Amino acid sequence: AQKVTQAQTEISVVEKEDVTLDCVYETRDTTYYLFWYKQPPSGELVFLIRRNSFDEQNEISGRYSWNFQKSTSSFNFTITASQVVDSAVYFCALTSGGGADGLTFGKGTHLIIQP
Amino acid sequence: DTEVTQTPKHLVMGMTNKKSLKCEQHMGHRAMYWYKQKAKKPPELMFVYSYEKLSINESVPSRFSPECPNSSLLNLHLHALQPEDSALYLCASSRAADRSSNTIYFGEGSWLTVV
Repeated sequence: AQKVTQAQTEISVVEKEDVTLDCVYETRDTTYYLFWYKQPPSGELVFLIRRNSFDEQNEISGRYSWNFQKSTSSFNFTITASQVVDSAVYFCALTSGGGADGLTFGKGTHLIIQP
Repeated sequence: DTEVTQTPKHLVMGMTNKKSLKCEQHMGHRAMYWYKQKAKKPPELMFVYSYEKLSINESVPSRFSPECPNSSLLNLHLHALQPEDSALYLCASSRAADRSSNTIYFGEGSWLTVV
């Protein structure tokens, strides 16, 4: 069975602060894929990143960065210099069976950026 | 902007009504999905279509009836729903449902209220 844990239910920071969203996963498969999605109040799930289990390189995209560590089964997401537009619910997700099995989602972290 | 288009964005229906949710994608994807999301919860997989054939039905009640007329379209027919079926219904697509490397892209969702 697979599991994704996002222990932080809600985080509130002031604009321009850095913030890290934690994600811990469990799977018995050796090949798997991890994702982060952003869900603003409008409802759409916006794809942010995919990382496969063979690639532990960290990634940076603008103000976003991701730290994948297989040793601790974690795939954390950091927003640098946060902005009000970053306010949303962020989901970490896992799949090892491809779309055939769908995505296993964490419960999500509600990020509030205060001006 | 999402390339997965869902209509309608909002739907209010009575328990005796028959209605449909529609989803369209023009990315050439061969896998399409329906997810259901209740408030403050992560999305839950309902159905997976692979190459226009139903490949996964996550024990969804028969009052929800999916249909995939062609590789670009996915419908969800609704009949005799209950108030507890009120939720955000998300359509998604990916290149294929048999490869873990696929990224699943979501539409904006249809907000359904059953009265």
